[in-house]
Amino acid sequence: QVQLVQSGAEVKKPGASVKVSCKASGYTFTGYYMHWVRQAPGQGLEWMGWINPNSGGTHYAQKFQGRVTMTRDTSISTAYMELSGLISDDTAVYYCGRRMVPATSGLYDYWGQGALVTVSS
Amino acid sequence: QSVLTQPPSASGTPGQRVTISCSGSSSNIGGNTVNWYQVLPGTAPKLLIYSNDLRPSGVPDRFSGSKSGTSASLAISGLQSDDEADYYCAVWDDSLNGPVFGGGTKLTVL
Repeated sequence: QVQLVQSGAEVKKPGASVKVSCKASGYTFTGYYMHWVRQAPGQGLEWMGWINPNSGGTHYAQKFQGRVTMTRDTSISTAYMELSGLISDDTAVYYCGRRMVPATSGLYDYWGQGALVTVSS
Repeated sequence: QSVLTQPPSASGTPGQRVTISCSGSSSNIGGNTVNWYQVLPGTAPKLLIYSNDLRPSGVPDRFSGSKSGTSASLAISGLQSDDEADYYCAVWDDSLNGPVFGGGTKLTVL
């Protein structure tokens, strides 16, 4: 069965970077785009960007450009999201989500369990 | 400020039918298919509806979706206590080349 398993919770100081992983299993990792979405406490869902695991190509939301880097390691079917220059407003649960195929059918059919990132001095 | 507009809250009694609306524009709902997600506290979003009105396997037929123009709706019939959750609409936005989400609707079962 399809599973996306994310890394654990992190506590970071302002200005630091965080790297969250998302390990995929149960399907062909390179066949589906992976997106990253976050949810701050009491807030809604916010899209951050996507990576094409096949080519490594990425597209980031304008808000995060310059601060976010999405990568993948196809040998271990894992996608990564690294966010730098952390501020308190980056405190959120970060999710990876598998984009449906074909893309016209919908957005995300499977999600990771989420990784809480807390930014605090 | 979310790109898609949802009511912040909705409520109903067990057995009732409730609907949640989602309003967008021609660059998102008007030109792409709508998805609905259920988010329970401390859990990952769960796909309820995709392609406007299709249910993934395992989602009860009490949940239904519809779309007209630049608006969409999620209907939940035979309301149950474990339907208490936050519900989000989501759709691809051509101008952003990425998805946009509604602000979420908190459903309370009275």
